[in-house]
Amino acid sequence: GEDVEQSLFLSVREGDSSVINCTYTDSSSTYLYWYKQEPGAGLQLLTYIFSNMDMKQDQRLTVLLNKKDKHLSLRIADTQTGDSAIYFCAETPNRDDKIIFGKGTRLHILP
Amino acid sequence: NAGVTQTPKFRVLKTGQSMTLLCAQDMNHEYMYWYRQDPGMGLRLIHYSVGEGTTAKGEVPDGYNVSRLKKQNFLLGLESAAPSQTSVYFCASSYAKGRTGELFFGEGSRLTVL
Repeated sequence: GEDVEQSLFLSVREGDSSVINCTYTDSSSTYLYWYKQEPGAGLQLLTYIFSNMDMKQDQRLTVLLNKKDKHLSLRIADTQTGDSAIYFCAETPNRDDKIIFGKGTRLHILP
Repeated sequence: NAGVTQTPKFRVLKTGQSMTLLCAQDMNHEYMYWYRQDPGMGLRLIHYSVGEGTTAKGEVPDGYNVSRLKKQNFLLGLESAAPSQTSVYFCASSYAKGRTGELFFGEGSRLTVL
């Protein structure tokens, strides 16, 4: 079945790198996404990667995709207090009209 | 550019009351979605629509109804509210499949059922 799994919590010291991991089940997914939800707000697309790519870099963000293991990760370099949020991994199975979200990883920044 | 707008943002209901949440988008998106977000459960899809006049069930449709009479609006109805429907509700919209499929979210509607 369809399932996207990620750990629920991550604590990182300010200035360190954060790595949020995700596993997905549908190998037909064309796009894989990372969404960010700040307190009291809706989700916003942070970045996405096309399924034929292994890596995508965008400023402090690096997305790595391992299709063989169905594993997606988001690395945030030089983590700042403004990065404190819930990060959702998501996939779009080709056969579906829906986007499947994971439960979200709450990133907590330690001073 | 307003994007996706949800009304109301907060509502308190008594068990058995009915209400409608309104979602409006001004981006000419074909697809619209209603999600609920509960602690530890992530986002769960209630209903969605792939175009004006169409609706489909998501993961947790029971107790909810929807309508998409106009392309820009997607209504979520609770006919007889229950405490289990206490949640934060998010509406989202997107272009039809074939593009990146990015979802644009509203700010959420917090519903409490007593």
